[in-house]
Amino acid sequence: DSGVTQTPKHLITATGQRVTLRCSPRSGDLSVYWYQQSLDQGLQFLIQYYNGEERAKGNILERFSAQQFPDLHSELNLSSLELGDSALYFCASSVGAGALYEQYFGPGTRLTVT
Amino acid sequence: GENVEQHPSTLSVQEGDSAVIKCTYSDSASNYFPWYKQELGKGPQLIIDIRSNVGEKKDQRIAVTLNKTAKHFSLHITETQPEDSAVYFCAAIFVISNFGNEKLTFGTGTRLTIIP
Repeated sequence: DSGVTQTPKHLITATGQRVTLRCSPRSGDLSVYWYQQSLDQGLQFLIQYYNGEERAKGNILERFSAQQFPDLHSELNLSSLELGDSALYFCASSVGAGALYEQYFGPGTRLTVT
Repeated sequence: GENVEQHPSTLSVQEGDSAVIKCTYSDSASNYFPWYKQELGKGPQLIIDIRSNVGEKKDQRIAVTLNKTAKHFSLHITETQPEDSAVYFCAAIFVISNFGNEKLTFGTGTRLTIIP
């Protein structure tokens, strides 16, 4: 158990809909990262927040957004969902801001868009 | 661009034998190379990492080697056991902004199967 929690575990929704994925980092960690894992794209970095502020942005679509709240939990919002958005979404946390800090991954949320 | 290539995509070895997974990276400025293990139904977990000022690092049955000149690094697992069966990902740091913000770029993964 990494100490990172993600809810829900599974999510099935229809094209065009909007969903919110939630992540609680390990106690004491200030950074939260979001990754998308699909069969054809592997593990792709989406976005990082550090202590409430956006720190780094990767291959995140404009239809996707995220935020980190004062209690350090984070939410990833996916809107206008398409079939290709079906994937595993992982949240990771680390104590520091840079990518040199060990990232602890949560168990993931499996999103299925039908 | 930011690229990490990983080979092989699948690897089967007899229990007790060694397994080697290789990765190459595109940015000579990369200075941190972690390896993650992902078991079925779980998130990736860091198993070993190496920084650019070191050529080799060992932790019990696991070792990582780094050749900065050739821009490649490898994971070596000796005396493999059934619990080593998993998907392994290499990764490298890339700088993504003028402010020095970084991200990890992952390889495409190697599915390792240990045959009893």
